[in-house]
Amino acid sequence: AQTVTQSQPEMSVQEAETVTLSCTYDTSESDYYLFWYKQPPSRQMILVIRQEAYKQQNATENRFSVNFQKAAKSFSLKISDSQLGDAAMYFCAYRRAQGGSEKLVFGKGMKLTVNP
Amino acid sequence: DAGVIQSPRHEVTEMGQEVTLRCKPISGHNSLFWYRQTMMRGLELLIYFNNNVPIDDSGMPEDRFSAKMPNASFSTLKIQPSEPRDSAVYFCASSFRTSGGPPDTQYFGPGTRLTVL
Repeated sequence: AQTVTQSQPEMSVQEAETVTLSCTYDTSESDYYLFWYKQPPSRQMILVIRQEAYKQQNATENRFSVNFQKAAKSFSLKISDSQLGDAAMYFCAYRRAQGGSEKLVFGKGMKLTVNP
Repeated sequence: DAGVIQSPRHEVTEMGQEVTLRCKPISGHNSLFWYRQTMMRGLELLIYFNNNVPIDDSGMPEDRFSAKMPNASFSTLKIQPSEPRDSAVYFCASSFRTSGGPPDTQYFGPGTRLTVL
């Protein structure tokens, strides 16, 4: 079974600085998708970024980028120029690409605090 | 465009009562997912449907839980009888999947916070 691990339960960053959130996963599949979701206090789950395992290029979305290391099964999220609105729980998630269940397997999450 | 719609947003009930949670997926999406979020277990899939057919219900905790999707625009998750340990946030999500193709990104609703006293 696939597992996703977020080893840091909490992190803090100063506004305008850069922070990196770590995530590791375990799978025997060769093709899959990885996601970072953000959950602010409103509890809405918001997609931040998505990475397809067969793509070597790291995904980027404005201030958000990932460092995808397939061999190491590592998928970290970098937030540049942190803003107060980035404060939230962040969840790393895995999903198979083909066949089997479409379910997302989530990590336990990490709480990010942004200090003014 | 409207996102995934869930109702109610909050539900407080007493142990033993029946609870029904409702979800309207994004128009055009053909996969619908029910997730549960608790402090102890995090986010976990309960069940999902593709083209209104249940595909994976391995996460449904026990017979007290049931889910239906009578049409492409509506799904319910029912708990009968409810117990205090069912207290959680229940999310509905939807996505689009072409026949034979990979599933698309899942988009989540705002969730229903259920409290069973």
